[in-house]
Amino acid sequence: DQQVKQNSPSLSVQEGRISILNCDYTNSMFDYFLWYKKYPAEGPTFLISISSIKDKNEDGRFTVFLNKSAKHLSLHIVPSQPGDSAVYFCAAKGTSRQGNTGKLIFGQGTTLQVKP
Amino acid sequence: NAGVMQNPRHLVRRRGQEARLRCSPMKGHSHVYWYRQLPEEGLKFMVYLQKENIIDESGMPKERFSAEFPKEGPSILRIQQVVRGDSAAYFCASSPRYLRLSYEQYFGPGTRLTVT
Repeated sequence: DQQVKQNSPSLSVQEGRISILNCDYTNSMFDYFLWYKKYPAEGPTFLISISSIKDKNEDGRFTVFLNKSAKHLSLHIVPSQPGDSAVYFCAAKGTSRQGNTGKLIFGQGTTLQVKP
Repeated sequence: NAGVMQNPRHLVRRRGQEARLRCSPMKGHSHVYWYRQLPEEGLKFMVYLQKENIIDESGMPKERFSAEFPKEGPSILRIQQVVRGDSAAYFCASSPRYLRLSYEQYFGPGTRLTVT
């Protein structure tokens, strides 16, 4: 049962344009969402996160939007740079009331290619 | 401040052998999570440990897999009698404490296990 889904395996954008990566989830009890970036042969690196009580969080070129009614979140990168080319994972955390111990549930990842 | 360290980075084992993967969390971090990434998939939670305690092992296969985080030394993920299906990248992540404001987990570079 895939609770966190990234339906686009890949995305290609031109340098300087906006990159929009999407993520859908099924569990309405998730209370925290995170985006990680991963280069080949390296571990995931934390990018940005958002609590379920908010609908937007911004950090420099990265903005995450959360639409709870649609169970959808997206990561916007503006402007995109060639160094942003990597695999992006969204992840979700359940509430402690569910007995969640902080483990993260990851999507399958989207490979972003930013062309110079 | 050194990041999460994992060793070995690459491990080749024949079917039936034991694999032992080590993880040293970031300085000051007492919580360790292990995740596995199969080819073309996202990361899947395996186990969550604090010093000398297994807190959540709901993602661990029931047989052949075990984990520990002793009072002194790194966390160890042990796979006995490995099979080809165990070939994957194994990532360790650490966090300073569970009730952290942003719930970020910091990942190591991973151990790539190949079973021949």
